[in-house]
Amino acid sequence: AQTVTQSQPEMSVQEAETVTLSCTYDTSESDYYLFWYKQPPSRQMILVIRQEAYKQQNATENRFSVNFQKAAKSFSLKISDSQLGDAAMYFCASLTGNQFYFGTGTSLTVIP
Amino acid sequence: DVKVTQSSRYLVKRTGEKVFLECVQDMDHENMFWYRQDPGLGLRLIYFSYDVKMKEKGDIPEGYSVSREKKERFSLILESASTNQTSMYLCASSLWTSVETQYFGPGTRLLVL
Repeated sequence: AQTVTQSQPEMSVQEAETVTLSCTYDTSESDYYLFWYKQPPSRQMILVIRQEAYKQQNATENRFSVNFQKAAKSFSLKISDSQLGDAAMYFCASLTGNQFYFGTGTSLTVIP
Repeated sequence: DVKVTQSSRYLVKRTGEKVFLECVQDMDHENMFWYRQDPGLGLRLIYFSYDVKMKEKGDIPEGYSVSREKKERFSLILESASTNQTSMYLCASSLWTSVETQYFGPGTRLLVL
């Protein structure tokens, strides 16, 4: 089975600062997707950003961007200008074929 | 907006009971998924379905079954609930042509006593 590893169970950031969440993955496939999902407390999980493996350009969505290092199998999420509403559990995930594999999550605290 | 709903937010059941968790999506999605979420383990796929009456086992199908009689509804069944099935259960759906975009329900927190 594929694995997705998030080595930081908890992170914190000052409001308006930048934070980077780490993720590594293990796959032998050449065609796959990578994702970051956000799960706010007691709220639904939503997609933050996604990256197609065949694209070299790093995906960006407003204040969220990724650093995709394919050879290193690394997929980190950078949150710029952190806001209180960014506080959540963040999950990294990979998709190969029809199956998703999720990491164990990083709990992000935003300090006012 | 895509809406994925789950029948209960919180559920308390006794060991040995048969438990039904229901999930409904309103966007005509072909794919539907059931995950369980446990602290330190992330999300693990239990079952998924890519069409009515079709199902595939995920990583942890033991102790669970599923039913998809209608496209919009995907049910997770615990035939005989056990305490180690206490968990958060998340349903998700996606288009067949866009499987990479999953939409999640709010989750059902199940406690088995």
